Amino acid sequence: GAVVSQHPSRVICKSGTSVKIECRSLDFQATTMFWYRQFPKQSLMLMATSNEGSKATYEQGVEKDKFLINHASLTLSTLTVTSAHPEDSSFYICSAKDGTDTQYFGPGTRLTVL
Amino acid sequence: GDSVTQMEGPVTLSEEAFLTINCTYTATGYPSLFWYVQYPGEGLQLLLKATKADDKGSNKGFEATYRKETTSFHLEKGSVQVSDSAVYFCALFNYGQNFVFGPGTRLSVLP
Repeated sequence: GAVVSQHPSRVICKSGTSVKIECRSLDFQATTMFWYRQFPKQSLMLMATSNEGSKATYEQGVEKDKFLINHASLTLSTLTVTSAHPEDSSFYICSAKDGTDTQYFGPGTRLTVL
Repeated sequence: GDSVTQMEGPVTLSEEAFLTINCTYTATGYPSLFWYVQYPGEGLQLLLKATKADDKGSNKGFEATYRKETTSFHLEKGSVQVSDSAVYFCALFNYGQNFVFGPGTRLSVLP
C-alpha cells in the first residue's frame, strides 16, 4: 500500500528555537496533505490542509504564523514550528491522499520542547 | 457538522476473547467509513474501510459493516491477541470535506 514517511521521528529542542518536520509520500503523488496534532491519550486534531503549490488552509484556532506549512512538491510537505515553547510539545502526524478518499498516515513525529 | 462517536475505553480483554468496539456517526450524504489503528509510539495505520451502505470491510481478522440505517460501523474481531493491543480510531470522510475522527478506544489484551 501507499507509504508516507516523516522525518525526524523524534526531536528535542530548546524553547525559542524552530523545528522543521518533513512529510513525504514515497510511492504516490499527493496533491493534498494534512497535518494533525495528537495530545496524549486523545484523538487527532486537524491543524491544516496543505495543497501543492498553494497556501495551506488552517483550522480555527491554529496559529498560521507559528505553524508554517509548505507543500513544495507533490511528494513533500513541511511543517515548521516557529519559536517553539513547551506547550507545543506533542505528537505531530501528517497524512496524504492518493486521489481516492483514503488517507495514508505517516508514523508521526514526537516533539519535546524543553 | 459531521461527527463520530466511539465507545469509551479502555477496553481490557483476555486473549481469544471476542471484541466489539462501537462506532456511530452523524453525517450528511454518504460518507466513507474507516477504522484506523495506532500502536504504541507509532502513527495511524488503515485497518479497514467501507465506502457504501452494507459494505463490509475486513482485515487481519477484524470486520466492520457499514450500517446506514443505524449510522454505525462497529469493529469486531472473533479472537483477539495480545498484539492487538492498541488504540482504535473510527473515522469518516465526506467527499470535499476533511476526515473526522472519533476520540479513539484503547484496547488492552491480557495473556
